[in-house]
Amino acid sequence: NAGVTQTPKFRILKIGQSMTLQCTQDMNHNYMYWYRQDPGMGLKLIYYSVGAGITDKGEVPNGYNVSRSTTEDFPLRLELAAPSQTSVYFCASSRDRLNSPLHFGNGTRLTVT
Amino acid sequence: KNEVEQSPQNLTAQEGEFITINCSYSVGISALHWLQQHPGGGIVSLFMLSSGKKKHGRLIATINIQEKHSSLHITASHPRDSAVYICAAYSGGGADGLTFGKGTHLIIQP
Repeated sequence: NAGVTQTPKFRILKIGQSMTLQCTQDMNHNYMYWYRQDPGMGLKLIYYSVGAGITDKGEVPNGYNVSRSTTEDFPLRLELAAPSQTSVYFCASSRDRLNSPLHFGNGTRLTVT
Repeated sequence: KNEVEQSPQNLTAQEGEFITINCSYSVGISALHWLQQHPGGGIVSLFMLSSGKKKHGRLIATINIQEKHSSLHITASHPRDSAVYICAAYSGGGADGLTFGKGTHLIIQP
């Protein structure tokens, strides 16, 4: 009963490098989300998906891309990393829309230097 | 866009005290979430409610739709309750309809 699994837990990138944050869930949830958490701020939505093959931008999508080829997986791609992308990233899922409970991964702490 | 405010921002209390954390929002909602973020960083969903009151163990969440206000109460607080508590209000529509508060940092001293 793994829930939402995120990898890696920590990563340091140099400016201009790229990476993919992995997220997988085993609850057969249709809805999946990527958030970033910056110090002193509420979580901000980067991208979300309402099902396989469907993705949409959130509040802060610039510099990121996503794909949803299966129900289980929702990777987040950072192209040309910038210091402004230093943050903690959380993947989450829910069975239905956001009037159902959210399930979070353990987070990825990313530093871009 | 919904504005979600939490109070207090920081709270230090003694073990055994009754704790109240408040959350107010500016736009009508269809659901309100209470989340707990542990010092290690993981986030756990505590409650999701749209009306009335829910209870789980020593935790109680209430919501007043007319006043656009929710509270999270912890009875008989314990040091293991030390965490950041986050409320998030869902005003409907797409995933961008969920607005998070900045969190309340709670420390329970033994």
